[in-house]
Amino acid sequence: NAGVMQNPRHLVRRRGQEARLRCSPVKGHSHVYWYRQLPEEGLKFMVYLQKENIIDESGMPKERFSAEFPKEGPSILRIQQVVRGDSAAYFCASSPGGDWITEAFFGQGTRLTVV
Amino acid sequence: QKEVEQNSGPLSVPEGAIASLNCTYSDRVSQSFFWYRQYSGKSPELIMSIYSNGDKEDGRFTAQLNKASQYVSLLIRDSQPSDSATYLCAVHTSGGYQKVTFGTGTKLQVIP
Repeated sequence: NAGVMQNPRHLVRRRGQEARLRCSPVKGHSHVYWYRQLPEEGLKFMVYLQKENIIDESGMPKERFSAEFPKEGPSILRIQQVVRGDSAAYFCASSPGGDWITEAFFGQGTRLTVV
Repeated sequence: QKEVEQNSGPLSVPEGAIASLNCTYSDRVSQSFFWYRQYSGKSPELIMSIYSNGDKEDGRFTAQLNKASQYVSLLIRDSQPSDSATYLCAVHTSGGYQKVTFGTGTKLQVIP
């Protein structure tokens, strides 16, 4: 859905660098979800955030990955010291907090390539 | 056992035929079930949702849910080449908050 904006669409990083992925939810949406999709695999849940709160980060790797959704501005998924295995498409979805089915939309994704 | 399982395919069907996509899930208390379509290099797009046992029809698409068997399926009638995509099954898992678990997807190829 065009309402969820992710940038950049493509990101190339060298091993050891940091990657910052941004997600601007649909206006008025206060809930953000991040998913990762490895090549030829399904979507893997990473983290669910509300404004200024992490609700569920059970899908986040224990190290190098962090996420935030500040009161103002986009949600950020940060990957420190990237490795080749981090190469994937990262999708963000947002909802106003109600029923996922009727109100959650995916952004176009950020494709991270680690070289 | 994976929470949501799908056959990865590819599933090949001739144009005009019925494509049948299947999904099983492990969490018995799951309440909401979704089918997403994902074209290569694109984001997932919601095409069907189903909440109660039985069939739900929307145009050429029919979702079928059997909670006793923990099974949900998607039928695509009169398949078209434009239906060629990966179809992701998603399940709203229990936990008191909005967390949706996806299967790995089934790749569908509709042969003209």
